Amino acid sequence: GAVVSQHPSRVICKSGTSVKIECRSLDFQATTMFWYRQFPKQSLMLMATSNEGSKATYEQGVEKDKFLINHASLTLSTLTVTSAHPEDSSFYICSATRDSSNQPQHFGDGTRLSIL
Amino acid sequence: GESVGLHLPTLSVQEGDNSIINCAYSNSASDYFIWYKQESGKGPQFIIDIRSNMDKRQGQRVTVLLNKTVKHLSLQIAATQPGDSAVYFCAEMDAGNMLTFGGGTRLMVKP
Repeated sequence: GAVVSQHPSRVICKSGTSVKIECRSLDFQATTMFWYRQFPKQSLMLMATSNEGSKATYEQGVEKDKFLINHASLTLSTLTVTSAHPEDSSFYICSATRDSSNQPQHFGDGTRLSIL
Repeated sequence: GESVGLHLPTLSVQEGDNSIINCAYSNSASDYFIWYKQESGKGPQFIIDIRSNMDKRQGQRVTVLLNKTVKHLSLQIAATQPGDSAVYFCAEMDAGNMLTFGGGTRLMVKP
């Protein structure tokens, strides 16, 4: 089955640090990847849609200069949380889908980000 | 739109019993629906999907029912096992492949 790998799984760092999270589709090409954020006991909230070779599309209220997305290849998208602060602490999850309509998104195992 | 809440509803069942998890979706134009299982500290795991031209689909121990008239989706798990304990999310997909998640239900299986 489809596998999406996300790295790192856990990050603890000081306030002001920039953190990069990688999302890879391991056995299929993904023109589109998605980045979600999840707070405890809540559902997943879409942050942005990452498109290979073009700019990401951000959801309302998500700062594009804060959350930089790069989708440089058909198997890799990165999310960089710039100058992270404690309020950015959350569980970040990526997903990828095969390039067809009505295909499930397959999720990575998430990155737990804790900013001290 | 997305459903966000501070407290997940919880379904507690005895091991071996059947579980039914319900979900109401919002967009009548959604034509594809997915159930995901999320264990603590992990990403959502695909369980089963259904397209809008169907009203029932069965997998291994799981069945999804779709009622488009009332915009309702359910997940039935037969002979629930301790390993089924997790949070379950329904999700609806529009024509642009965008997923909208429901609020989630925590399933607790008592041995």
